[in-house]
Amino acid sequence: DGGITQSPKYLFRKEGQNVTLSCEQNLNHDAMYWYRQDPGQGLRLIYYSQIVNDFQKGDIAEGYSVSREKKESFPLTVTSAQKNPTAFYLCASNQQLSSGNTIYFGEGSWLTVV
Amino acid sequence: GQNIDQPTEMTATEGAIVQINCTYQTSGFNGLFWYQQHAGEAPTFLSYNVLDGLEEKGRFSSFLSRSKGYSYLLLKELQMKDSASYLCAVKGATNKLIFGTGTLLAVQP
Repeated sequence: DGGITQSPKYLFRKEGQNVTLSCEQNLNHDAMYWYRQDPGQGLRLIYYSQIVNDFQKGDIAEGYSVSREKKESFPLTVTSAQKNPTAFYLCASNQQLSSGNTIYFGEGSWLTVV
Repeated sequence: GQNIDQPTEMTATEGAIVQINCTYQTSGFNGLFWYQQHAGEAPTFLSYNVLDGLEEKGRFSSFLSRSKGYSYLLLKELQMKDSASYLCAVKGATNKLIFGTGTLLAVQP
């Protein structure tokens, strides 16, 4: 079945560590996104990529990094520079040829700093 | 700047009708989306509006007025399982989708 797979579902990070969240899609979508959601809050855009080997910062990119070496994959690294990383992270994708294309989400990853 | 406003919380009764409003100010407009999100889960797509008017899909309908920067989601025949957050999102001039903070709907018996 086509879809977006995020892993791991739950991740614990120690202070000063970098961690990477995986996002893979087999929908043949051009565009991919990473959002962060804090409890009781909406989704905030971290990074997005509209094509392989290209990506742009969203509204809260500081302390995060991404890569887009393959169309199917858009991993997010939460670096030690991100001072408050505990949140729910959502990866999403869509086909960007027309503006009406729905964005589909993965199941999300919970990151907790311990 | 870009801004999307929704009520934070709403309460409604099972079997009733509820309307969730969304107002927006964005750089460009390429469509408005409504998503449903249950606690701890990913958002799921409900509706999409790009032209003025009402889009109906079963128990859910969504309305858009571009001149007023306004949309609403109408839920009919409310069921307990409709208790969730409802997110309004606007696609601006680029392909970015900007989300509001969501409206937490509680359906009571």
